[in-house]
Amino acid sequence: EVELLESGGGLVQPGGSLRLSCETSGFIFSAYAMSWVRQAPGKGLEWVSVISGSDGHTYYPDSVKGRFTISRDNSKNTLFLQMNSLRAEDTAAYYCAKWGNWNDKVLDSWGQGIQVTVAS
Amino acid sequence: QSVLTQPPSVSAAPGQKVTISCSGSSSNIGYNHVSWYQQLPGTAPKLLIYANDKRPSGIPDRFSGSKSGTSATLGITGLQTGDEADYYCGTWDSRLNIGVFGTGTEVAVL
Repeated sequence: EVELLESGGGLVQPGGSLRLSCETSGFIFSAYAMSWVRQAPGKGLEWVSVISGSDGHTYYPDSVKGRFTISRDNSKNTLFLQMNSLRAEDTAAYYCAKWGNWNDKVLDSWGQGIQVTVAS
Repeated sequence: QSVLTQPPSVSAAPGQKVTISCSGSSSNIGYNHVSWYQQLPGTAPKLLIYANDKRPSGIPDRFSGSKSGTSATLGITGLQTGDEADYYCGTWDSRLNIGVFGTGTEVAVL
């Protein structure tokens, strides 16, 4: 059974930094792309980042490009999201998600989410 | 800002059918597979449909998906109170080079 467990969230001041982690089990971590998706309070879903399984290629939307960095440690089956220069609009629940087949562009398993609040 | 457009809400009586539309463009739905996700209140999203019309194991055949051109549709038949949730379409945008989700649709069972 696939399990994804996020950690590292919390309250941070505007301009501050936070590092999220996602510990995984139940699948061959290095074989799959992974993503972070966020959901602001009362709002819809937003892709935050993608990292491929094989070559570690990364993708970001303009809203976080240059501020957020996704990375992975295949030896520890763990995904990370380094968030810098945080803004109030980054306040959201952040979900770690596993990709299925790359060509299907599908997120087939999700973590329970972790809250990030950016406020002074 | 979502690039895929869904109706804000749909509703029907128990046992009835609802359909949810997802409208995009040639760079996203028109070029890539579409997935659908169900988000029950207070929980994480869950995959319902992938590759336009395929159901993961464990998803009942009351849920169906289709795609035509730059639009996709999710159908739910035999509506149950447990189906009350938010539903999101999702795909990849080959122009933006990132994944995109729909605006989300709330399903209410009357």
